[in-house]
Amino acid sequence: QVQLVESGGGVVQPGGSLRLSCAASGFSFRNYGMHWVRLAPGRGLEWLAVIWHDGSNRQYGDSVKSRFTISRDNSKNTVDLEMIRLRDEDTGVYYCARDLPKVTTPAPDFWGQGTLVTVSS
Amino acid sequence: DVVMTQSPLSLPVSLGQPASISCRSSQNLVYSDGNTYLNWFQQRPGHSPRRLIYKVSIRDSGVPDRFSGSGSGTDFTLKISRVDAEDVGVYYCMQGTYWPPTFGQGTRVEI
Repeated sequence: QVQLVESGGGVVQPGGSLRLSCAASGFSFRNYGMHWVRLAPGRGLEWLAVIWHDGSNRQYGDSVKSRFTISRDNSKNTVDLEMIRLRDEDTGVYYCARDLPKVTTPAPDFWGQGTLVTVSS
Repeated sequence: DVVMTQSPLSLPVSLGQPASISCRSSQNLVYSDGNTYLNWFQQRPGHSPRRLIYKVSIRDSGVPDRFSGSGSGTDFTLKISRVDAEDVGVYYCMQGTYWPPTFGQGTRVEI
């Protein structure tokens, strides 16, 4: 069955860095675009980043542009989110989600269970 | 960015009764291909988000037919014809017509 399993969350100090990973199984990973979306306490869902099926295109939300980097390894069926210069407001549950190969009109159809990131001193 | 505004933010419902959630966008969501990329997601307690409906009214596989989506332009609605106990959770609309994709604030449905 389709599975997306996020990992790498934890507690980090403001200004610190963290790398999240999402492992996919049960479907042809190389044929899907992948998103990262977070659920921040009291703030609802926020889209963060997307990468096309072949890694040829990446887009970022304004709040994370220049601080977060999305990447993928189709040989390992993984998509990562490298996060630097973390802020308190980056605290939340981070989800990876899949979409059509060339994501021009986002509509993620399957989501992982999420990994918690807490930014706190 | 396109602002998505949901109402109400909290929706007390009775089992077996209908429920309706409104979602309004700050811009017309019709894309250049003529389609409207408005999605609805459900997040039940302790679960990850699940897509219920895409392109305004197309139900995902396995979604009960008591869920329906409608609307056009800037005004959209998610309806539950008869609320079931498993429908408790937070519902989000999301537009995919413009970059970046944006979500509504969420509507909490409780029995």
